[in-house]
Amino acid sequence: EAGVTQFPSHSVIEKGQTVTLRCDPISGHDNLYWYRRVMGKEIKFLLHFVKESKQDESGMPNNRFLAERTGGTYSTLKVQPAELEDSGVYFCASSQDVGFGYEQYFGPGTRLTVT
Amino acid sequence: AQTVTQSQPEMSVQEAETVTLSCTYDTSENNYYLFWYKQPPSRQMILVIRQEAYKQQNATENRFSVNFQKAAKSFSLKISDSQLGDTAMYFCAFSTGANNLFFGTGTRLTVIP
Repeated sequence: EAGVTQFPSHSVIEKGQTVTLRCDPISGHDNLYWYRRVMGKEIKFLLHFVKESKQDESGMPNNRFLAERTGGTYSTLKVQPAELEDSGVYFCASSQDVGFGYEQYFGPGTRLTVT
Repeated sequence: AQTVTQSQPEMSVQEAETVTLSCTYDTSENNYYLFWYKQPPSRQMILVIRQEAYKQQNATENRFSVNFQKAAKSFSLKISDSQLGDTAMYFCAFSTGANNLFFGTGTRLTVIP
């Protein structure tokens, strides 16, 4: 069974440009999460999809971030326009069931560098 | 506020020895789950062990065990018989009624041959 995959693994862009990150969850997992880790800090929750619907987007930092999940399969996270403070590692995770005890399966992350 | 504190940014341990990673957290919720995740170098994060707050018995998974002190809001991870493959970043986390995880800043563990 394939795990959670993320693309690209690393992206370097200039301030003001646009970047789109992609996440493919484990097949059959209705729940998809995005997290971000800024250098040296904790991993922070961004948002949670259940199928194609946004269940919780309370962690999205501002309206420069747009997440979508087309058809309840893969998800994209677009940053437009990117700022220096957006640099960090963006993790995607998926889980089969909803509930606070269930394991979330993480992707390898996308390292975003904004210069 | 929901917070997780990992006060040890880096630790090292000799192969075959035992090491304990500390974690404290803060939540006003009564029921929650606690987790330790491990991220090996250049690899994805995987779940090591989890504990439900209502269970008094400490969770164990082979060489990994936790010391859960609910009143103190402490959740430390003990790794026995450390192996080179245990070298990784370890993240403590918890989740409450919401589905998202709250993480600490991580502890980088190096197992020395």
